[in-house]
Amino acid sequence: QKEVEQNSGPLSVPEGAIASLNCTYSDRGSQSFFWYRQYSGKSPELIMSIYSNGDKEDGRFTAQLNKASQYVSLLIRDSQPSDSATYLCAVRWRGGSEKLVFGKGTKLTVNP
Amino acid sequence: GAGVSQTPSNKVTEKGKYVELRCDPISGHTALYWYRQSLGQGPEFLIYFQGTGAADDSGLPNDRFFAVRPEGSVSTLKIQRTERGDSAVYLCASSPGTTDTQYFGPGTRLTVL
Repeated sequence: QKEVEQNSGPLSVPEGAIASLNCTYSDRGSQSFFWYRQYSGKSPELIMSIYSNGDKEDGRFTAQLNKASQYVSLLIRDSQPSDSATYLCAVRWRGGSEKLVFGKGTKLTVNP
Repeated sequence: GAGVSQTPSNKVTEKGKYVELRCDPISGHTALYWYRQSLGQGPEFLIYFQGTGAADDSGLPNDRFFAVRPEGSVSTLKIQRTERGDSAVYLCASSPGTTDTQYFGPGTRLTVL
């Protein structure tokens, strides 16, 4: 059973559109959720973290969390070609190491 | 300041050989994590250090894998008798404390021929 699931995509949107990325997780007690961006051949880079139900906005990025539905999403407004990357959803697992458990990632392409 | 650094950036080895991968975390970060990322997959947890001790090694796939952090800063991931299935990018991350954001290094791409 997958612990963190993402639509693998690929997702293609035109420049200026809203890109919507989704993630579900299995551990109902998880408290911390992260979106990382990974360009091809590079390491993951944190773009958003969210801990409470609701929306969190940072520039063109909005993270949404619904713990009851065990669902977290990332919206990218006014998508730019430079946003083209793989987006990884990560959930911090409770207890002990607080390791991050990642989904497989969704590859986003923003077409000029 | 300097980010997480990893060496080498690329390592090609033959099946059965021994390899060491090094991670130098951000100065002052007490928590250090190793992950492995295969093509098309998200990073997969291997081991976590808090200070010098391995607090959670539940992600190490088998006893060919071992990691140390003797002085609480630099860490070395050691793989014995490498197999082709060990080929992946090995990522190191550090954080100021256990519940803080993890910052990733550039990774070491390991290829086992």
